Amino acid sequence: NAGVTQTPKFRILKIGQSMTLQCTQDMNHNYMYWYRQDPGMGLKLIYYSVGAGITDKGEVPNGYNVSRSTTEDFPLRLELAAPSQTSVYFCASSPQLDGNEQFFGPGTRLTVL
Amino acid sequence: GNSVTQMEGPVTLSEEAFLTINCTYTATGYPSLFWYVQYPGEGLQLLLKATKADDKGSNKGFEATYRKETTSFHLEKGSVQVSDSAVYFCALSDKATGNQFYFGTGTSLTVIP
Repeated sequence: NAGVTQTPKFRILKIGQSMTLQCTQDMNHNYMYWYRQDPGMGLKLIYYSVGAGITDKGEVPNGYNVSRSTTEDFPLRLELAAPSQTSVYFCASSPQLDGNEQFFGPGTRLTVL
Repeated sequence: GNSVTQMEGPVTLSEEAFLTINCTYTATGYPSLFWYVQYPGEGLQLLLKATKADDKGSNKGFEATYRKETTSFHLEKGSVQVSDSAVYFCALSDKATGNQFYFGTGTSLTVIP
């Protein structure tokens, strides 16, 4: 199993550009999550999904969109990039909600200039 | 609401020293508690977890005990190694809030030979 994979690893965007961060898991997990990690701030939940076709907002959803058309994929869309979105983005998945761990991808480092 | 407070870093120790990283939490329900570790340039990996009061999680010489009376989950290791240098995150998941994860801000540990 590859686990949770994310692409790209690094990206530089100009203000106002858009992009999609890809996330795929091969563990057949129902639950998937997107976090951003800012220096010294821990991880903040952006969006999560409890299954294909179902998504919900986390703590910091503004400026982002998600979709979940399959169990495996959970892309994160930035429509109009802003410098405040400069961060490291982590995707995670979990087999169930009840006290189980989350499995993390390697992250995408995004810089908006 | 739910929150996790971690001891601020960075922490620098000599090899074979004793490690304690403090973590306290606030939760509306009965959370599960986790310690994750992040090595440079990588995603988060589960280090240990405890799902109910008085449980002790342990892995790779690290231990943490779920203390409901003091709402704490302190991480300890008796003898650290250079390879333990990483950032450590305390986290909780709470069924009362859809089992979302809440992370502390992380504690950076550097172990010097």
